[in-house]
Amino acid sequence: QKEVEQNSGPLSVPEGAIASLNCTYSDRVSQSFFWYRQYSGKSPELIMSIYSNGDKEDGRFTAQLNKASQYVSLLIRDSQPSDSATYLCAVKESSYKLIFGSGTRLLVRP
Amino acid sequence: NAGVTQTPKFQVLKTGQSMTLQCAQDMNHNSMYWYRQDPGMGLRLIYYSASEGTTDKGEVPNGYNVSRLNKREFSLRLESAAPSQTSVYFCASNQGSEQYFGPGTRLTVT
Repeated sequence: QKEVEQNSGPLSVPEGAIASLNCTYSDRVSQSFFWYRQYSGKSPELIMSIYSNGDKEDGRFTAQLNKASQYVSLLIRDSQPSDSATYLCAVKESSYKLIFGSGTRLLVRP
Repeated sequence: NAGVTQTPKFQVLKTGQSMTLQCAQDMNHNSMYWYRQDPGMGLRLIYYSASEGTTDKGEVPNGYNVSRLNKREFSLRLESAAPSQTSVYFCASNQGSEQYFGPGTRLTVT
């Protein structure tokens, strides 16, 4: 069974620090990877997608993909208390389906 | 654009009762999805519809039925609710790889 693994956390970082969130996946042929942010009581919100090896930057967010090692990470620079949320990693399984990890809870301390 | 909308937001059922969760999207997306989210278990796919007129089972379809009424609407029906179906239900849609979620329905079965 294809799996996406994340540390449940919480990951606690001080305000202004870099938060590093990691995700590993089991399916070697996966090609598309996504990070969603979910605030408590709210729905998941897509914040990053990455399709090729290397880094992809968008504002304070950087997604990193290493297909050989089967991991994808999300770096959040200059973390803010408003970044406190659960971050879900998702991997595209087929043309239509995503497999989600169970999420990492991030807590940014003021 | 409202994006993906869901009704109701909250629902309490007694064991054995039936209900239908409604979902609609105004983004002209072909594919639509129903997920459930339980604490510590991430998002699990119940059913999906790759395009109007087609539906397929996901990871946890037992106890549910779906209808893709038209391109905009995708409903989820619980014929005989059980306490194990207490969860938060999310509808999503996508065109291409990126999925977008509705606000969710919090369902409690007593």
